[in-house]
Amino acid sequence: DIQMTQSPSSLSASVGDRVTITCQASRDIRKYINWYQQQPGKAPKLLIYDASNLETGVPSRFSGSGSGTDFTFTISSLQPEDIATYYCQQHDSLPTFGPGTKVDLK
Amino acid sequence: QLQLQESGPGVAKPSETLSLTCTVSGGAINRRSHYWGWIRQSPGRGLEWIGSIYYSGGTYYNPSLKSRVTISVDTSKNQFSLKLSSVTAADTAVFYCATDGERGGTYFRNWGRGTLVTVSS
Repeated sequence: DIQMTQSPSSLSASVGDRVTITCQASRDIRKYINWYQQQPGKAPKLLIYDASNLETGVPSRFSGSGSGTDFTFTISSLQPEDIATYYCQQHDSLPTFGPGTKVDLK
Repeated sequence: QLQLQESGPGVAKPSETLSLTCTVSGGAINRRSHYWGWIRQSPGRGLEWIGSIYYSGGTYYNPSLKSRVTISVDTSKNQFSLKLSSVTAADTAVFYCATDGERGGTYFRNWGRGTLVTVSS
């Protein structure tokens, strides 16, 4: 299994802040990482696929970067509707998810 | 727009088999060139991919669950199903069905709302 670690596990930020979440894979996964947003009581939603590709309909304030073992997910200007838990997921081999980063408002 | 809906008992007894069905609307399962997947989520295990199936019946399973999991598809009903045998309390989770990518175990784009299954006697 490829293990995915995320940091931080939680963060508090203000509206308009830049938010950055990192994900590290236990081995090289090339570019094969996706990022999901899960709002309370809802299913996860795919935001970014293959490290940096924005899913159709997702606001451009969301972005992703990285390759190999280290990846970054960024919200350029936090909005109230972005309050959620964010997960990374690798698919270089059979898929595994990170433990999540909970984002709330300061 | 594809819509997925999980259904099945909300409670399973320890040692028994948990059975869930995902009904797909807005498109035919057998006219899609991607896989269909099951994912579960629990406080203890987080998000965990269970397995995925193609309309023709090809499957990928999570190796940690493979001995207990069967995923099947019924194209006449536009459904795919999950059976998880020998359940314990550790299998209590919200179970989601989702569309998967063309290669299986890749991109989970469309999700059902999820169904909570509690394992309890």
